[in-house]
Amino acid sequence: GDSVTQMEGPVTLSEEAFLTINCTYTATGYPSLFWYVQYPGEGLQLLLKATKADDKGSNKGFEATYRKETTSFHLEKGSVQVSDSAVYFCALGRNTGTASKLTFGTGTRLQVTL
Amino acid sequence: DSGVTQTPKHLITATGQRVTLRCSPRSGDLSVYWYQQSLDQGLQFLIQYYNGEERAKGNILERFSAQQFPDLHSELNLSSLELGDSALYFCASSASLGMNTEAFFGQGTRLTVV
Repeated sequence: GDSVTQMEGPVTLSEEAFLTINCTYTATGYPSLFWYVQYPGEGLQLLLKATKADDKGSNKGFEATYRKETTSFHLEKGSVQVSDSAVYFCALGRNTGTASKLTFGTGTRLQVTL
Repeated sequence: DSGVTQTPKHLITATGQRVTLRCSPRSGDLSVYWYQQSLDQGLQFLIQYYNGEERAKGNILERFSAQQFPDLHSELNLSSLELGDSALYFCASSASLGMNTEAFFGQGTRLTVV
């Protein structure tokens, strides 16, 4: 079945540091890939997505590229801010035509300090 | 604000009891998904409804059931509750059946079984 593996956290960075959160997946076919962010006390928000191989999703300075050859969708940001502190989830979307679901990784907590 | 409303926000109940969690999707969204988030299992897909019909089932226990009503709101019923059912339960909605449209998450219902 589908699965998503993301790097263990927590990740602690200083403000303006470069961020990479690794995500790899196992799936057949051509799923869509997503990054969701969860701020304390809130639900998940879609951060970015990519629907086919070599697509790059980007939003709010975050980027991730759908790499089918390495089955990866790593999240990057060039310069993090304290406000980026949150839990980040990599997810795989499966659409069978009659149903759909998201399979999530375990989440990576990011803490950004001044 | 995602537009997805979940009630109640918090629920404390005793083992063996039954509870109902409610979700109102974004206006016009036909798909509703339920997820369980716990410390040991992470985010687990439970079930999907689309326009009143069950479309996909994940790791949903037999003690749990859900439905989507004609006005598109959904309820998740949890019965014979156990301590291990304590978790954050999220509802999400999307406009269509597939994963290419964004899923919007509610803020969740935190269930504590004592």
